[in-house]
Amino acid sequence: AQSVSQHNHHVILSEAASLELGCNYSYGGTVNLFWYVQYPGQHLQLLLKYFSGDPLVKGIKGFEAEFIKSKFSFNLRKPSVQWSDTAEYFCAVNEGAATGFQKLVFGTGTRLLVSP
Amino acid sequence: SQTIHQWPATLVQPVGSPLSLECTVEGTSNPNLYWYRQAAGRGLQLLFYSVGIGQISSEVPQNLSASRPQDRQFILSSKKLLLSDSGFYLCAWSAGLTGTYNEQFFGPGTRLTVL
Repeated sequence: AQSVSQHNHHVILSEAASLELGCNYSYGGTVNLFWYVQYPGQHLQLLLKYFSGDPLVKGIKGFEAEFIKSKFSFNLRKPSVQWSDTAEYFCAVNEGAATGFQKLVFGTGTRLLVSP
Repeated sequence: SQTIHQWPATLVQPVGSPLSLECTVEGTSNPNLYWYRQAAGRGLQLLFYSVGIGQISSEVPQNLSASRPQDRQFILSSKKLLLSDSGFYLCAWSAGLTGTYNEQFFGPGTRLTVL
């Protein structure tokens, strides 16, 4: 079965530090990849997604992620974090088509705390 | 605009008691609906999904069931709760369109503790 691994469960950074959160998946076929974020007190929301094309995907709030097919990875990055980036981040994968109905498989999440 | 509601927000129930969690979506029609659960130390796991009224698909065998009595209403139930049913339950919806990407939108969740 498809699985998603997020190896960093808790990350603590100071403001302006660079961020990289790891995500690896197990499926060897066509995949669609997502990063979701849940800010304190808010709903889970989509941060960015990859379907095809340029493996470097840019999302909201200065986040980006790079799809490396040979490594089955989709790591999330941000050059300089802000206190407002404190949140829980989830990587998710959907196998097959990017259109229509989708079944997402999520990782366990990474809690990011940014200290001012 | 579309809105998704879940209630209750938190729930503490004894083992063996019944469960009913409700999810409703406003501002859209014919959505795909989903129930996810996050148990302690685990990722969000898809439990059920529905592409239409009365159409329920189960992803994992378990003590829970789901129903969709109306187009924008999705209910998660159990006749007898187990300790292992504790967790954070999220409802989500996506547009029921073919040929296009349909983002999933999540509700606020219900934190269930079974004692």
